[in-house]
Amino acid sequence: GEDVEQSLFLSVREGDSSVINCTYTDSSSTYLYWYKQEPGAGLQLLTYIFSNMDMKQDQRLTVLLNKKDKHLSLRIADTQTGDSAIYFCAEVNTGTASKLTFGTGTRLQVTL
Amino acid sequence: GAVVSQHPSRVICKSGTSVKIECRSLDFQATTMFWYRQFPKQSLMLMATSNEGSKATYEQGVEKDKFLINHASLTLSTLTVTSAHPEDSSFYICSARTGNTDTQYFGPGTRLTVL
Repeated sequence: GEDVEQSLFLSVREGDSSVINCTYTDSSSTYLYWYKQEPGAGLQLLTYIFSNMDMKQDQRLTVLLNKKDKHLSLRIADTQTGDSAIYFCAEVNTGTASKLTFGTGTRLQVTL
Repeated sequence: GAVVSQHPSRVICKSGTSVKIECRSLDFQATTMFWYRQFPKQSLMLMATSNEGSKATYEQGVEKDKFLINHASLTLSTLTVTSAHPEDSSFYICSARTGNTDTQYFGPGTRLTVL
């Protein structure tokens, strides 16, 4: 099956930028998503990008997509302590009945 | 918009009992709902996909007689864990999507503990 991988852990200082990376194998992905999960909670949709786009910016969030290398990244500017959470990337191929394939999740720790 | 709720948020039950978890889309009609299971420090594992008015499609390795899914309306899907055992203890999360988008919106999750 398709595979989505992320690094497990990232630590940044408050105020710095965070960059969370994700690689995937499905060359037919149509949408790619970033979700945030705080402890004991469900997943919050942060942003998504259509596969024919290279970049999307939404306030402090910037998503970059390199379709050739199948690499997706999420940059969080001016990282705050409230950004500490697990971040999941996910991809969907419309041909697979809209099933999401999730990455392993990256735990972001923001230190003072 | 696109709010999904789950009830209950937490349940503790004795081994052998059945537990029903509800998933509701509050401000949109969900043609498809998904049920996931998440183990500690792990990613989400898709259990089944349910379309309103039809039988759920289960992922390989998920027992359909153990995890009963009903999607009777465009805003409600239920997951019933039958004859629960301690190994069924987990965090169950549902999601919902409308017919014209692939984007899934997730509920807050239900923590099930079977004693």
